[in-house]
Amino acid sequence: DGGITQSPKYLFRKEGQNVTLSCEQNLNHDAMYWYRQDPGQGLRLIYYSQIVNDFQKGDIAEGYSVSREKKESFPLTVTSAQKNPTAFYLCASSKRQGASGELFFGEGSRLTVL
Amino acid sequence: AQRVTQPEKLLSVFKGAPVELKCNYSYSGSPELFWYVQYSRQRLQLLLRHISRESIKGFTADLNKGETSFHLKKPFAQEEDSAMYYCALHNAGGTSYGKLTFGQGTILTVHP
Repeated sequence: DGGITQSPKYLFRKEGQNVTLSCEQNLNHDAMYWYRQDPGQGLRLIYYSQIVNDFQKGDIAEGYSVSREKKESFPLTVTSAQKNPTAFYLCASSKRQGASGELFFGEGSRLTVL
Repeated sequence: AQRVTQPEKLLSVFKGAPVELKCNYSYSGSPELFWYVQYSRQRLQLLLRHISRESIKGFTADLNKGETSFHLKKPFAQEEDSAMYYCALHNAGGTSYGKLTFGQGTILTVHP
């Protein structure tokens, strides 16, 4: 079953703890993205990566970190520095060339800070 | 800076009525516009893109550069159209391919 897999679907964290969200894709896409979805604010880009071992900050990167050691994987770490981490996080991927703007999304991970 | 605005958070219509979801953008370059849809308990997915000039599930959207709009329209709404809709803009001339700017989203509810 091809696509993007995010885990876990639900995650609870105590304040002060870091947490890592997993994102794996088997679509052979070069680019991967992390978005945050909040009610009334739409999707906001956290980080994106166009190629292995390279990534760029999006619009709201503060308090987050990522790595791209493998083409298939793009984990997101929500650090204790993120002031309002409770949100729904979406991972996406896209081809490098052609079909620009078409993103394929995972099912999302909902993080709740207790 | 590029921006996408969807002025309506919520939109309710009755089955069979026409529906229009508004989207306005601000961007000085050559934009590509998209509509994404998220049905209940499903993934966010691409609905249509302006360069294709296609009709998907009865929906159409025309890019109006003069009014900087990309409204989504359907002449006869169906209950299964109820979903969250996002308008998105892609910098067609840039190097950050796939990097989209999304609007705030509009929740469409179609009543029977």
